[in-house]
Amino acid sequence: NAGVTQTPKFQVLKTGQSMTLQCAQDMNHNSMYWYRQDPGMGLRLIYYSASEGTTDKGEVPNGYNVSRLNKREFSLRLESAAPSQTSVYFCASSGHFAEAFFGQGTRLTVV
Amino acid sequence: GEDVEQSLFLSVREGDSSVINCTYTDSSSTYLYWYKQEPGAGLQLLTYIFSNMDMKQDQRLTVLLNKKDKHLSLRIADTQTGDSAIYFCAERRPGAGSYQLTFGKGTKLSVIP
Repeated sequence: NAGVTQTPKFQVLKTGQSMTLQCAQDMNHNSMYWYRQDPGMGLRLIYYSASEGTTDKGEVPNGYNVSRLNKREFSLRLESAAPSQTSVYFCASSGHFAEAFFGQGTRLTVV
Repeated sequence: GEDVEQSLFLSVREGDSSVINCTYTDSSSTYLYWYKQEPGAGLQLLTYIFSNMDMKQDQRLTVLLNKKDKHLSLRIADTQTGDSAIYFCAERRPGAGSYQLTFGKGTKLSVIP
């Protein structure tokens, strides 16, 4: 039972490069989320998707785009990476009731 | 918006009880969660409580909820060195057809052998 799987686990980008973080869940959850975690800031919501075909902005969406490809997959794209986007990125999913599960994170460094 | 508030640090001796406190923001939040994060790892769901409950116990973990004061606590009995981690409180706020999880900044628990 894989739960929530994120790829890659680590990435180093140069300023201005683009990349896509992938996330997939196998729990048949409707809702999926992307968070970033920075020291002293906790987790902040970037984007979320309530269901397949819908996406909405969270607290810190600037510089990011998302795609809910199907019920399983929710990707996060950085079109032109900036040093301020150096962070740990977490994908999560939740069902109708309670439990919300997280992936293991992607550690991104932008130089 | 308003922040979910937690103390940043807590230090306890091995074998003692730990109590981590949290003040959340939205009285309409339906579920409240405690997550554990070990160094370099993702967030592990420890337990959650539905908003119509006052208490939930799960082995060494006890969650207390005071809705009037929007206060949530996590008690860890017989704290072990393996409990050293960052603990995040989160609330599930309704909105826009989905439920957003809003997190506190985390409490770093240090267990002294």
